[in-house]
Amino acid sequence: EAGVAQSPRYKIIEKRQSVAFWCNPISGHATLYWYQQILGQGPKLLIQFQNNGVVDDSQLPKDRFSAERLKGVDSTLKIQPAKLEDSAVYLCASSPDTHTGELFFGEGSRLTVL
Amino acid sequence: DAKTTQPNSMESNEEEPVHLPCNHSTISGTDYIHWYRQLPSQGPEYVIHGLTSNVNNRMASLAIAEDRKSSTLILHRATLRDAAVYYCILRIYNQGGKLIFGQGTELSVKP
Repeated sequence: EAGVAQSPRYKIIEKRQSVAFWCNPISGHATLYWYQQILGQGPKLLIQFQNNGVVDDSQLPKDRFSAERLKGVDSTLKIQPAKLEDSAVYLCASSPDTHTGELFFGEGSRLTVL
Repeated sequence: DAKTTQPNSMESNEEEPVHLPCNHSTISGTDYIHWYRQLPSQGPEYVIHGLTSNVNNRMASLAIAEDRKSSTLILHRATLRDAAVYYCILRIYNQGGKLIFGQGTELSVKP
């Protein structure tokens, strides 16, 4: 079974530039999550989708971050404009189950903002 | 948000059992207890989860206290590859099943 795919693995940009990250969840998984992990900290939930609808985006900085999940499959997370403090690993996870079962994580996309 | 409390770090010897504790006193009746681990430069990896009863799988065992306010992840024979950050997390049923990570326990394994 193919895992959660993310790209790019690494991205370096300057502040005020924009960046987009892509996630392809495991086939058939209805729930998709984006997490931000700053070095030395645990992952922080940014947004949760159920199919193509948003379940929770309370921690997403909506003035600069946006995310979409068209057709309930792939998802894109965008940052525009980027700030220095956005330097982090962005993790995508998916789950076949909304409430109880395990999450499957991708390897993450590491962003460095200079 | 329902929170968990774990020691920042623990040390173990190779081939010995490891017991990683977690407190979750604010757990509600429908929240599942999840454990994930994260190796350097990798995404978190699922280890085990449970609701009320103790659980076993090929990776570990999960012992849940009768009042569900604490749990323990048991690695039966630690290997060097088990060195990682271990996260104890509540999957919050009435908040769409979201997982809120804490700081985790960094486990080091000595040969």
